Amino acid sequence: KAGVTQTPRYLIKTRGQQVTLSCSPISGHRSVSWYQQTPGQGLQFLFEYFSETQRNKGNFPGRFSGRQFSNSRSEMNVSTLELGDSALYLCASSFGDNEKLFFGSGTQLSVL
Amino acid sequence: GQSLEQPSEVTAVEGAIVQINCTYQTSGFYGLSWYQQHDGGAPTFLSYNALDGLEETGRFSSFLSRSDSYGYLLLQELQMKDSASYFCAVRDRNQGGKLIFGQGTELSVKP
Repeated sequence: KAGVTQTPRYLIKTRGQQVTLSCSPISGHRSVSWYQQTPGQGLQFLFEYFSETQRNKGNFPGRFSGRQFSNSRSEMNVSTLELGDSALYLCASSFGDNEKLFFGSGTQLSVL
Repeated sequence: GQSLEQPSEVTAVEGAIVQINCTYQTSGFYGLSWYQQHDGGAPTFLSYNALDGLEETGRFSSFLSRSDSYGYLLLQELQMKDSASYFCAVRDRNQGGKLIFGQGTELSVKP
């Protein structure tokens, strides 16, 4: 069974640009969640989706948005990038409400 | 809301036993999870305690005490490959089930 796939693996953008990150969950997993990881802040929850519905949202500005498609694939978008958005963005999937999350390798975003 | 506290770093030698503590302040949560993350890698699930007590999975055990707002991860027979960051996490019942992570504990295993 293929794991959680995130693309792209690395991304370099400049301030003011926007970016879209993609996540393909494990087949059969309908729950997808996103996290921002930085050295100083650890893993911060961004959003969680289940069957195309956003179930929860973290404390991030409105520049951060996401969605989930009918095939459970998910995307997150960050508009008007700021230097502080440089981070590793991790996606995780799970089967229903199972507590065991499977993480992807993440997208390392650098904002210059 | 809630916060989780873990030691930032722990060092131990091969073959030893190490305990990584996680204390939390919350008025309600569903359970305590632990994840391992090697440098540059994806976090991987280690254990989940829904109820108080000890859960054992091979060399790793996890413990939860809701009355003491405390949990820990116990790693036995340490190996060099156990050098990694370890995160505890709880799902906050009062925030719609949002998953909150601790800041992580970096474990260094020395020969």
